[in-house]
Amino acid sequence: GQQLNQSPQSMFIQEGEDVSMNCTSSSIFNTWLWYKQDPGEGPVLLIALYKAGELTSNGRLTAQFGITRKDSFLNISASIPSDVGIYFCAGHTNAGKSTFGDGTTLTVKP
Amino acid sequence: DSGVTQTPKHLITATGQRVTLRCSPRSGDLSVYWYQQSLDQGLQFLIQYYNGEERAKGNILERFSAQQFPDLHSELNLSSLELGDSALYFCASGRDRGNSPLHFGNGTRLTVT
Repeated sequence: GQQLNQSPQSMFIQEGEDVSMNCTSSSIFNTWLWYKQDPGEGPVLLIALYKAGELTSNGRLTAQFGITRKDSFLNISASIPSDVGIYFCAGHTNAGKSTFGDGTTLTVKP
Repeated sequence: DSGVTQTPKHLITATGQRVTLRCSPRSGDLSVYWYQQSLDQGLQFLIQYYNGEERAKGNILERFSAQQFPDLHSELNLSSLELGDSALYFCASGRDRGNSPLHFGNGTRLTVT
């Protein structure tokens, strides 16, 4: 089946630093999405990408849909303590199959 | 608030038992997805329903089954429970068959003792 390789698995950064994480796949996806999960809660959508090459921002977050449709990255600029959590990428196909990466756990030190 | 409601929030049961988890999707969403998240692990896709019909299947055990009812709410049935079934079970809903973003509920935490 389709698999997503999400990296890094975890990050420990200082407040104010920029963060970058990415997902790659051997399969093509039609939609890439990035979610954030806080402890004890369900994932919340951050950014949705629908076209190859698309670059989308949401505040301090920027994500891109790779032109090969097999990868995506998420950047967080000027991190703050509330950015702490688990970030998941997800790829969707038109057939209805959605695949999630294993997540990147972000820790921000004040 | 995502608009997706899951009940119960917590469930503690014994091995061999059967439980039913319930999900009400966001208003207007036709797709319901079920995911399993074990401790410190990612989201494992179990199954998707669209407008009452099964649309896609993931790594769902034969002991598990689901359905989506005419009012679009969904139930996930877990039977012959084992210790390893202890996990967070998330429901998510989407507007259409596959490409729309998912909106997640806050999950049901199942503990099998």
